Amino acid sequence: QLQLQESGPGLVKPSETLSLTCTVSGGSISSSSYYWGWIRQPPGKGLEWIGSIYYSGSTYYNPSLKSRVTISVDRSKNQFSLNLSSVTAADTAVYYCARGSPMSSCIGAPCYYFDYWGQGTLVTVSS
Amino acid sequence: QSVLTQPPSVSGAPGQRVTISCTGTSSNIGADYDVHWYQQLPGTAPKLLIYGNNNRPSGVPDRFSGSKSGTSASLAITGLQAEDEADYYCQSYDSSLSGWVFGGGTKLTVL
Repeated sequence: QLQLQESGPGLVKPSETLSLTCTVSGGSISSSSYYWGWIRQPPGKGLEWIGSIYYSGSTYYNPSLKSRVTISVDRSKNQFSLNLSSVTAADTAVYYCARGSPMSSCIGAPCYYFDYWGQGTLVTVSS
Repeated sequence: QSVLTQPPSVSGAPGQRVTISCTGTSSNIGADYDVHWYQQLPGTAPKLLIYGNNNRPSGVPDRFSGSKSGTSASLAITGLQAEDEADYYCQSYDSSLSGWVFGGGTKLTVL
């Protein structure tokens, strides 16, 4: 059974960089055809896709966050990471990592849905 | 403001049928991109409920079903149970944003 687990600081100061890691167990992050993504949820609000990285290393970012986001993969540790720079209080949220899986007989990013999720980690931006 | 529009809340009595709508535009649902649905129980991570418009992952009861037409999609829940009380989110892909988008979420209350 695939499992994802987020880790990182729960408190980040304004203007600093938020850094989180997602550790994947029960499967390889290098398996072909999957995306690995980050999604966040501000307290009491809905879900917002942050960005995703393909198994090959190519990335997709939410245009509203693109200038501040970097997602990378460490295959040796079976992990992928999120860096979000210049954070403000508006970045306070529960951050989830998730696996994107493709619909069968479908090619390309539009074919993907998130089938496995981590439990989420709350990151608060405050001085 | 979410790209996909859902009603903030719906409610129903046990045993009843409820539907949750998800309205998009010509750059997402209307572009014939698939719609997926997630259930988020209080204090937990979202769980995949429906994928590819109308497919249920293993373990999801057949009381849950999805449909899509034009620029909209719907999630239907029949035989409503107390355990169905949760937030529900739709998700698709948007070509204008070149990325994945979610609806704002709908809170289901079982009366």
